[in-house]
Amino acid sequence: QKEVEQNSGPLSVPEGAIASLNCTYSDRGSQSFFWYRQYSGKSPELIMFIYSNGDKEDGRFTAQLNKASQYVSLLIRDSQPSDSATYLCAVANAGGTSYGKLTFGQGTILTVHP
Amino acid sequence: DGGITQSPKYLFRKEGQNVTLSCEQNLNHDAMYWYRQDPGQGLRLIYYSQIVNDFQKGDIAEGYSVSREKKESFPLTVTSAQKNPTAFYLCASSPSIMDSPLHFGNGTRLTVT
Repeated sequence: QKEVEQNSGPLSVPEGAIASLNCTYSDRGSQSFFWYRQYSGKSPELIMFIYSNGDKEDGRFTAQLNKASQYVSLLIRDSQPSDSATYLCAVANAGGTSYGKLTFGQGTILTVHP
Repeated sequence: DGGITQSPKYLFRKEGQNVTLSCEQNLNHDAMYWYRQDPGQGLRLIYYSQIVNDFQKGDIAEGYSVSREKKESFPLTVTSAQKNPTAFYLCASSPSIMDSPLHFGNGTRLTVT
């Protein structure tokens, strides 16, 4: 069973600070990684995806990937109260009957307080 | 606008009854999926389909059934054999099964008493 682990939180940061969300995965061959944001009672929405080692930036969001350490993170700069949500890490499985399909972590609850 | 439509938004059923959740997409995506989410949990894959008339079990298929008679539609039936059916059900689609970002519908919240 492929595993994706996230700290469930809650992670609380002040408005304007950097929020750092972390995710580790067990499938060493995984090549594709996704971050979703889910507001309470709503469905997940894609924030970013990353395929290559290093950083990928999109506005206030930066995804960081380290395949050697099997670690992917999401940084949110200048955090806003509207960023308060659950952030789900998803990893595409590398092989076997699950190839290509996503395994989700349990999500990290982020609270940005004014 | 393209998207995924799930209906109904809320569904209430008595224990022992089968219930079917609707999912329709107009994104022309080949792959469709059903996930279940319980409070404080991540998403768990129930069933997925890569093409019409073909579908595969996910990690928690017991007590569920699906059909894929049309590219646009992937209904999920929660049968009376599902021991804990109360959950938030999410339908998703993607261009293909391989490493593609998922697009989600708005979800159906099923309560069985």
